[in-house]
Amino acid sequence: QQQVKQSPQSLIVQKGGISIINCAYENTAFDYFPWYQQFPGKGPALLIAIRPDVSEKKEGRFTISFNKSAKQFSLHIMDSQPGDSATYFCAASRKFAGANNLFFGTGTRLTVIP
Amino acid sequence: EADIYQTPRYLVIGTGKKITLECSQTMGHDKMYWYQQDPGMELHLIHYSYGVNSTEKGDLSSESTVSRIRTEHFPLTLESARPSHTSQYLCASSGTGGNTGELFFGEGSRLTVL
Repeated sequence: QQQVKQSPQSLIVQKGGISIINCAYENTAFDYFPWYQQFPGKGPALLIAIRPDVSEKKEGRFTISFNKSAKQFSLHIMDSQPGDSATYFCAASRKFAGANNLFFGTGTRLTVIP
Repeated sequence: EADIYQTPRYLVIGTGKKITLECSQTMGHDKMYWYQQDPGMELHLIHYSYGVNSTEKGDLSSESTVSRIRTEHFPLTLESARPSHTSQYLCASSGTGGNTGELFFGEGSRLTVL
């Protein structure tokens, strides 16, 4: 069972446009929601993350919007650039003594057209 | 820049061969992970470790095995490779403090079994 559902699977945006990727979860025990960015031939890297006590977090052109009641969160990339072309993964984790507490979405391949 | 290293980056081998994918991190992290990444992007946890002498199987069943004799080293072994093992294998680590969802990934080992 997919713990975190992500959409769309792929996204094509014109340079300067807004890219929006959505994720949803069911487990209310999740308390940390990171987004990872992966370029071809590289491993994923943490891009931005949010905790459920805030509704929005912004870092440069990247913003996470979080809706706790709807159990949804999304990544907005403002003024999208060709260099943003990558695969984006949302994830969710909960406080847990073990190591396997991070659940990834299925990924969104973003292409920004010049 | 994360200090986690994987070798080899690319490996092409014949069916039945034994292979070991190496993973080392210099951050002193307790937790380490192996993910298998499908060509279509999705990340599947196949092994993880809480620390030295600890290994656990992940969500996706895998014929590979792992060992954790030293904190910094978490190699993955396939005793007899098959074409179905063709995939990208990503190693990651995380610390005990701070964010519960921040993983540091290596650049991956892309395995092709002929």
